[in-house]
Amino acid sequence: KQEVTQIPAALSVPEGENLVLNCSFTDSAIYNLQWFRQDPGKGLTSLLLIQSSQREQTSGRLNASLDKSSGRSTLYIAASQPGDSATYLCAVARMDSSYKLIFGSGTRLLVRP
Amino acid sequence: EPEVTQTPSHQVTQMGQEVILRCVPISNHLYFYWYRQILGQKVEFLVSFYNNEISEKSEIFDDQFSVERPDGSNFTLKIRSTKLEDSAMYFCASSEGTDHYEAFFGQGTRLTVV
Repeated sequence: KQEVTQIPAALSVPEGENLVLNCSFTDSAIYNLQWFRQDPGKGLTSLLLIQSSQREQTSGRLNASLDKSSGRSTLYIAASQPGDSATYLCAVARMDSSYKLIFGSGTRLLVRP
Repeated sequence: EPEVTQTPSHQVTQMGQEVILRCVPISNHLYFYWYRQILGQKVEFLVSFYNNEISEKSEIFDDQFSVERPDGSNFTLKIRSTKLEDSAMYFCASSEGTDHYEAFFGQGTRLTVV
């Protein structure tokens, strides 16, 4: 059964710092991995999608990497800003008929001004 | 930019009542999903829907739950007889169903059962 773990559970950094969020998964037979942002009481905003054949994806100040064989992904946020404060969720899609997502419990990020 | 829309944003219902949560997926998408998030817990998969039928459902999705795509645009989740433990945020998602299967989520419906 696929399990997704995110470390750390919470992170508080001063504005301007570069930071890394970690995600690990137990079954490497994934189709893709998505990183989402969730603001309190709100929906999930897709940040980056990495296909299983890819090693990384970049969008602006965000860079996500994937090492499928070791079951790990990282989300790198450069030059963090207070507006980056949110919960970041990692989710993997299995290679099956529904491509459903299995989520981690998230990292709650606070960027202090 | 196309988006998934959900209504209502918040619903309060009495235990034992039926509720219907509504979603309008992105128009050219082929895969539709419902997930839920109990306060403080992980987002959990409930059901996937493709080609007008359920393709997969979780253990949570018992006989009290049903899904429907009644008119080619809406996608609904019905809970027949709500329980206190059904209180959660319910998210609808859709995916184009091409090479990437990137999932796009709605803003959620917060269901409170009293």
